[in-house]
Amino acid sequence: GENVGLHLPTLSVQEGDNSIINCAYSNSASDYFIWYKQESGKGPQFIIDIRSNMDKRQGQRVTVLLNKTVKHLSLQIAATQPGDSAVYFCAERHMDSNYQLIWGAGTKLIIKP
Amino acid sequence: NAGVTQTPKFQVLKTGQSMTLQCAQDMNHEYMSWYRQDPGMGLRLIHYSVGAGITDQGEVPNGYNVSRSTTEDFPLRLLSAAPSQTSVYFCASSYRQGAHYKETQYFGPGTRLLVL
Repeated sequence: GENVGLHLPTLSVQEGDNSIINCAYSNSASDYFIWYKQESGKGPQFIIDIRSNMDKRQGQRVTVLLNKTVKHLSLQIAATQPGDSAVYFCAERHMDSNYQLIWGAGTKLIIKP
Repeated sequence: NAGVTQTPKFQVLKTGQSMTLQCAQDMNHEYMSWYRQDPGMGLRLIHYSVGAGITDQGEVPNGYNVSRSTTEDFPLRLLSAAPSQTSVYFCASSYRQGAHYKETQYFGPGTRLLVL
């Protein structure tokens, strides 16, 4: 079956360190992936996306890496700040889901002072 | 722009009651969607719309109805509330770029629904 899941439900990182949040997907036909950040009590906010014809995409302090060989997606946050505390979701899109996003369960990122 | 707005913020219902969750966006986005989010889980798509007069079912449509009479509004109706519908509901919208709808969705603040 289709699955977009996360390796770690909770990740604790020291302030100033880099964070890496991982995501596994099972549908090799997925052509688009996206990361959202959800702060407590708020709706999700777009962080960064990547299409399947790319391996890496960088934004401001964030990098998304896509490894299609092992169906793995990761979000790297550089110099983690207290404001990065949130739940991070990955989502994928493919033809089987009528091109609607299929969301993973989320990873909670905790920043230690 | 107010972006995506949702009302109410919080609602308590008794089993069997019906209600409508309101969603509006002022960005002239063609695509709108409703998700539910249960504790410890990601978002699951309930219904979506690619334009006024057009709606389609998502992953978990049972027990919910939608309509899209205008570009701005996309209400979600619970026909007969059940405890299993206790959840946080998010409305989202996105715009069209060429032949595709942008996957970058703008989310509202959510409605917390408790069904007793």
